[in-house]
Amino acid sequence: AAGVIQSPRHLIKEKRETATLKCYPIPRHDTVYWYQQGPGQDPQFLISFYEKMQSDKGSIPDRFSAQQFSDYHSELNMSSLELGDSALYFCASSGGGLAKNIQYFGAGTRLSVL
Amino acid sequence: QKEVEQNSGPLSVPEGAIASLNCTYSDRVSQSFFWYRQYSGKSPELIMSIYSNGDKEDGRFTAQLNKASQYVSLLIRDSQPSDSATYLCAVNIYGGYNKLIFGAGTRLAVHP
Repeated sequence: AAGVIQSPRHLIKEKRETATLKCYPIPRHDTVYWYQQGPGQDPQFLISFYEKMQSDKGSIPDRFSAQQFSDYHSELNMSSLELGDSALYFCASSGGGLAKNIQYFGAGTRLSVL
Repeated sequence: QKEVEQNSGPLSVPEGAIASLNCTYSDRVSQSFFWYRQYSGKSPELIMSIYSNGDKEDGRFTAQLNKASQYVSLLIRDSQPSDSATYLCAVNIYGGYNKLIFGAGTRLAVHP
């Protein structure tokens, strides 16, 4: 079965650079969530989109923005990168029906800011 | 105080034993509860979901929910070395298309 696809898998950036992370949800899933997981930490919710509209916002810095496109894929844009942004970034998706609130996670993007 | 609390472990059990993982949550209106397994450097993988009080069994895994006590647990029977991972308890407070709030995770080590 198709899963959540994230790209790139690894990304190395310098301080103050920008980064774009992409997420392709499971087919027919209409909701996308972004989480950040620092070393030894639990995943922290950043932002989510339902039917291309922002549905919830968590601890996402103002330097970050995100959107969901007409094909339901989502992009997380990160600017003025800081050392503390180094983390695993996970995208999850959920769909309709009885299992609408079950979130399936992608493999993640490991961002290293040097 | 975190909204979702777990003992960080490590919880060490011998192969073939039952591993018992516990989680408490603070918000009484919480509606949906999940257990995810996460291997180091990998993504969370859904193990169990539970929505109503009582037990839910799936293979070697049993989730237990007690909303009055705000407590959810995961039992792993016949533990295998491949079960060694961090187990994350996650709560969806409002239901529907809403964020998950995770506990810090319990690290489980199953030794041969």
